[in-house]
Amino acid sequence: DIQMTQSPSSLSASAGDRVTIICRASQSISSFLNWYQQKTGKAPKLLIYGASSLQSGVPSRFSGSGSGTDFTLTISSLQPEDFATYFCQQSYSTPTFGGGTKVEIK
Amino acid sequence: QVQLQESGPGLVKPSETLSLTCTVSGVSISSYYWTWIRQPPGKGLDWIGYIFYTGSTNYNPSLQNRVTISIDTSKNQFSLKLNSVTAADTAVYYCARVENAGMQNFDYWGQGTLVTVSS
Repeated sequence: DIQMTQSPSSLSASAGDRVTIICRASQSISSFLNWYQQKTGKAPKLLIYGASSLQSGVPSRFSGSGSGTDFTLTISSLQPEDFATYFCQQSYSTPTFGGGTKVEIK
Repeated sequence: QVQLQESGPGLVKPSETLSLTCTVSGVSISSYYWTWIRQPPGKGLDWIGYIFYTGSTNYNPSLQNRVTISIDTSKNQFSLKLNSVTAADTAVYYCARVENAGMQNFDYWGQGTLVTVSS
């Protein structure tokens, strides 16, 4: 299995902050990397696919970058509704997810 | 709009079989791949497997000897069976649509259903 490691596991930020979440793969996965947002008690929501393509309907403050083993999700200006847990997922082989990054209110 | 809804027992006894169904509305089930994902309480996400309308499947190797995913195109439903369950199988189970088979990105999800394994 390809292991996905996210950092940090949690962070505290204020509305308006720029937030960056890192996801590292245990081997190269090209651009087969997706990002999801999950709010408490809800199903995950697809934000980014193919490492950098914004899913339809997702605000442009979300962006993704990277290829190979290192990827980032950036929220350019954190909004109140963005406080949630974020997961990366590789689809290069048997899909696996990162452990999640919880974004909390500072 | 596309909607998915999981249904099935919320409590299963150890060593028995967990059975869930996902009912899809707003799109033909014959147009996409469909997947099951689970999330143990307070933990991360685990991919279980996917199915295409032809019946072609792919399972997580860690569950392959216990899992079966099937599809009923006449009812626009697909199903999950996981046998010989233990407490480690306690989780919220989600069904989801695979938007792109190559990218394996999951764009529509059910609300999830908690299945507890306990005697």
